Amino acid sequence: EAGVAQSPRYKIIEKRQSVAFWCNPISGHATLYWYQQILGQGPKLLIQFQNNGVVDDSQLPKDRFSAERLKGVDSTLKIQPAKLEDSAVYLCASSLVGQKAFFGQGTRLTVV
Amino acid sequence: GESVGLHLPTLSVQEGDNSIINCAYSNSASDYFIWYKQESGKGPQFIIDIRSNMDKRQGQRVTVLLNKTVKHLSLQIAATQPGDSAVYFCAEKPPNTGNQFYFGTGTSLTVIP
Repeated sequence: EAGVAQSPRYKIIEKRQSVAFWCNPISGHATLYWYQQILGQGPKLLIQFQNNGVVDDSQLPKDRFSAERLKGVDSTLKIQPAKLEDSAVYLCASSLVGQKAFFGQGTRLTVV
Repeated sequence: GESVGLHLPTLSVQEGDNSIINCAYSNSASDYFIWYKQESGKGPQFIIDIRSNMDKRQGQRVTVLLNKTVKHLSLQIAATQPGDSAVYFCAEKPPNTGNQFYFGTGTSLTVIP
């Protein structure tokens, strides 16, 4: 079974630039999550989708972060404009409803 | 969000010994718990889970214990191997949160050959 796919694996941008991350969840998984993991910390939930609807985005900095899952499958997370403190690994995960989440390898973002 | 903490940030064990990683969770109503393993440069990998109606669950070389009285979760790894070296996270799911999991800081396990 294919896992959660994310791209790119690494990205380096200058502050105030924009960046986008892409995620393809496990086939059939209705729930999709984006997490931010700062070095030395546990993952922090940014947004959760159920199919193409947002379940919770209370921890998403909406002034600069946006995410969408238009067709209920793939998702993109965008940051515009990026700040230095956005440097982190961005993890996408997916799950069946009410079940454990499976994670992708993440995108390591460095903002300089 | 919820706060899930780990008692020890680092743990070193000799190869072949048993490892015990502890976790304190914050929400007494949390009904589902997962242990994840994260190797360097990779995403968290599911190890084992337990629901709140159980106090023990065993997998292959791993056992999770849940003590709801003191809101404590532990992961036991039998006969620890070098490949077990990683950061281990516990995650809790409070009820009525749409299947959202809250992670602790993690414990770094180093296995000494």
